[in-house]
Amino acid sequence: SQQGEEDPQALSIQEGENATMNCSYKTSINNLQWYRQNSGRGLVHLILIRSNEREKHSGRLRVTLDTSKKSSSLLITASRAADTASYFCATDVNQGGKLIFGQGTELSVKP
Amino acid sequence: NAGVTQTPKFQVLKTGQSMTLQCAQDMNHEYMSWYRQDPGMGLRLIHYSVGAGITDQGEVPNGYNVSRSTTEDFPLRLLSAAPSQTSVYFCASSYNRVNEQFFGPGTRLTVL
Repeated sequence: SQQGEEDPQALSIQEGENATMNCSYKTSINNLQWYRQNSGRGLVHLILIRSNEREKHSGRLRVTLDTSKKSSSLLITASRAADTASYFCATDVNQGGKLIFGQGTELSVKP
Repeated sequence: NAGVTQTPKFQVLKTGQSMTLQCAQDMNHEYMSWYRQDPGMGLRLIHYSVGAGITDQGEVPNGYNVSRSTTEDFPLRLLSAAPSQTSVYFCASSYNRVNEQFFGPGTRLTVL
């Protein structure tokens, strides 16, 4: 079974609204990363949060990490149609060398 | 820098055929990995390497072989293709395993 699971699987919002995606994982981690994938393309790294951090910002992105609940959230503020993509969390598992991805959240931002 | 390159972009195989998916990076990254992406399954780690001469299995290694003779190249071999290996394959690299990964554009493989 996979380490990370995103929720919701799909999200549809209007431009200007905020989008929140959640990721839960099962085992201890060194860090958690969020990636974005546009249709038919490779993944692009968005942000990395280490296990000793609780919150991190990058432009319109805000990521939180709660290691006690083994969960993370990605907030995209003031969304744009160009934010339409799939978003994946990935955990650096504390067992030596593996980066495990979740199943992703498909975000659709309507103009 | 070209980043992470993958060849071919598309490939159709018949069951039982063998082939090698190529992956190369020019960023002097130590860590490289192969993933497959199937609808509704996200990305699943096939094999990874933490440096030249060192490889290890990921979540779904069966049916695939890898080797890492140089820092730059990390080919993925399918010894006897099966329809279940129809997927999109992504190669990725990073400076080390705790850093962000850079992904190639992917190879879309169909096994008939």
